[in-house]
Amino acid sequence: KAGVTQTPRYLIKTRGQQVTLSCSPISGHRSVSWYQQTPGQGLQFLFEYFSETQRNKGNFPGRFSGRQFSNSRSEMNVSTLELGDSALYLCASSLGQGPYNSPLHFGNGTRLTVT
Amino acid sequence: AQSVTQLDSQVPVFEEAPVELRCNYSSSVSVYLFWYVQYPNQGLQLLLKYLSGSTLVKGINGFEAEFNKSQTSFHLRKPSVHISDTAEYFCAVSRFTGNQFYFGTGTSLTVIP
Repeated sequence: KAGVTQTPRYLIKTRGQQVTLSCSPISGHRSVSWYQQTPGQGLQFLFEYFSETQRNKGNFPGRFSGRQFSNSRSEMNVSTLELGDSALYLCASSLGQGPYNSPLHFGNGTRLTVT
Repeated sequence: AQSVTQLDSQVPVFEEAPVELRCNYSSSVSVYLFWYVQYPNQGLQLLLKYLSGSTLVKGINGFEAEFNKSQTSFHLRKPSVHISDTAEYFCAVSRFTGNQFYFGTGTSLTVIP
């Protein structure tokens, strides 16, 4: 079974631009979560989607948004990029029944560099 | 609110020596506890989890962790480390519903030959 696939692996953008990251979950997984990983802040939860609906949201500004499609694939969008948005963005999928029955499976991440 | 503190940012240890990576958490509700490992340029891989029952849990690659409710700790241990254990280790908690995890800032384990 294929794992969680994130594309692209690397991105370089300029301040003020916008970016879209993509995540394909493991087949059959209906929950997709996004995390931002930086050296200073560690891993921080962005949001979770389940069956095309946002189920949880972290403490990030409105420039960060996401969506989930009917095939469970998810995209994350960041508008008006700032230097501080440079990070590794990790996507994780699960069956969606909660951590007891369905652990998170992480992709290898998209490394975004904002110049 | 939930928070996780990993007390050591870097832990060097000689090959075949034992190691303990420390984790303390704070939460106003009951939580599940996890340890994840991240190898360079990769995502996170689940090492082990505490959901309920026995407070000593065993995971992959010979790791184990003990849940201590009174001390709100979940320390990770391995009796004998290998070079291949060199990686970043993250402790995390989650509430019983949803997939919002709270991670510590990580401990970089370096195994010295």
